[in-house]
Amino acid sequence: AQSVTQPDIHITVSEGASLELRCNYSYGATPYLFWYVQSPGQGLQLLLKYFSGDTLVQGIKGFEAEFKRSQSSFNLRKPSVHWSDAAEYFCAVGVMNTGFQKLVFGTGTRLLVSP
Amino acid sequence: ETGVTQTPRHLVMGMTNKKSLKCEQHLGHNAMYWYKQSAKKPLELMFVYNFKEQTENNSVPSRFSPECPNSSHLFLHLHTLQPEDSALYLCASSPYTGELFFGEGSRLTVL
Repeated sequence: AQSVTQPDIHITVSEGASLELRCNYSYGATPYLFWYVQSPGQGLQLLLKYFSGDTLVQGIKGFEAEFKRSQSSFNLRKPSVHWSDAAEYFCAVGVMNTGFQKLVFGTGTRLLVSP
Repeated sequence: ETGVTQTPRHLVMGMTNKKSLKCEQHLGHNAMYWYKQSAKKPLELMFVYNFKEQTENNSVPSRFSPECPNSSHLFLHLHTLQPEDSALYLCASSPYTGELFFGEGSRLTVL
């Protein structure tokens, strides 16, 4: 069965500094990979996804992620963090069934942005 | 603005009450999902409906009863819940390509 590990529960980054959130997955086949962001009291918003092809994927809000098969990783990056990026970030691995996707989520990483 | 709308946003109920959560998607997607988000636990998939047919029931207790009358609407009927069922319940939909679009959630408190 697939699983996702986000080793960092909390991360604090200064505004304007770069960010990298770690994600490792376990899945026997080529995975579908996702990053979602959740602000307090809100649902999850899709930041980016990897299905196949170029291993560096660009997302919304200036985020990018790189798929590394050899490391079973899909880390999220942003070159310069803004205060509005403070939120919880979830990595997920998906199994595509006929017409729908089963996602398994990590436990999330809460990003705090300091002035 | 979200293409997936959940009501109510907040719900408080006693253990003997019966209530329902509603989800509506305006995106033309074929699949709809219920997820449960509890503090300090990963999101848990509860149910999946694909073209109105239930395709996944992730060993959810029978006190949670889903209903999907059409591809745009999904309900979660609640009865005789337990305090440990207090959580954020998230509805999502997806197109054939598979990425999920979530609603803002219904925060449930069971007293």
